[in-house]
Amino acid sequence: KNEVEQSPQNLTAQEGEFITINCSYSVGISALHWLQQHPGGGIVSLFMLSSGKKKHGRLIATINIQEKHSSLHITASHPRDSAVYICAAGSNTGNQFYFGTGTSLTVIP
Amino acid sequence: GAGVSQSPRYKVAKRGQDVALRCDPISGHVSLFWYQQALGQGPEFLTYFQNEAQLDKSGLPSDRFFAERPEGSVSTLKIQRTQQEDSAVYLCASSSILRGPAFFGQGTRLTVV
Repeated sequence: KNEVEQSPQNLTAQEGEFITINCSYSVGISALHWLQQHPGGGIVSLFMLSSGKKKHGRLIATINIQEKHSSLHITASHPRDSAVYICAAGSNTGNQFYFGTGTSLTVIP
Repeated sequence: GAGVSQSPRYKVAKRGQDVALRCDPISGHVSLFWYQQALGQGPEFLTYFQNEAQLDKSGLPSDRFFAERPEGSVSTLKIQRTQQEDSAVYLCASSSILRGPAFFGQGTRLTVV
């Protein structure tokens, strides 16, 4: 049983396309994180959400607490956006994160 | 530093060698987590500290894995007699209070040859 499910697993897009990555979770959470992981393994935290919507540059993250669902959107995608995007749910007991398996995004010029 | 710092960023170890991976959390952060991420997989829980107390080590895959946080700040994950299956990215995260905002390190990529 996976506490966090991400879709799609793999995504290829043309430069400029609008991209959506989805995350559903089944546990009670304190916050939902979106992480970006580049091929070298380095991880960057993009967003931490507990409600509503956040925007940073071309990235937008939304969360619907009632539906236990979050989305990460990338507008005007660029090849440098190519990475693995991981959804992580911080449990509301505070002692655990549950990770999705990641979405591998490739943006083609 | 302003964020969670992990070192080294990359480590290549010969099979059977012992390794030590370091995590410097944000100063004052109470909670500290270690995760293991195999290639193509999502991170898997290893262990959790609250201050110096290791409250959960249920994810450590074998007794070759050991984690400590003796003064409640820096943490070290030690892997003894490394095996090829230990090759992974080891990720550390910390948060200031229980259920508080969490910050992730960049990870250490361990390759066992």
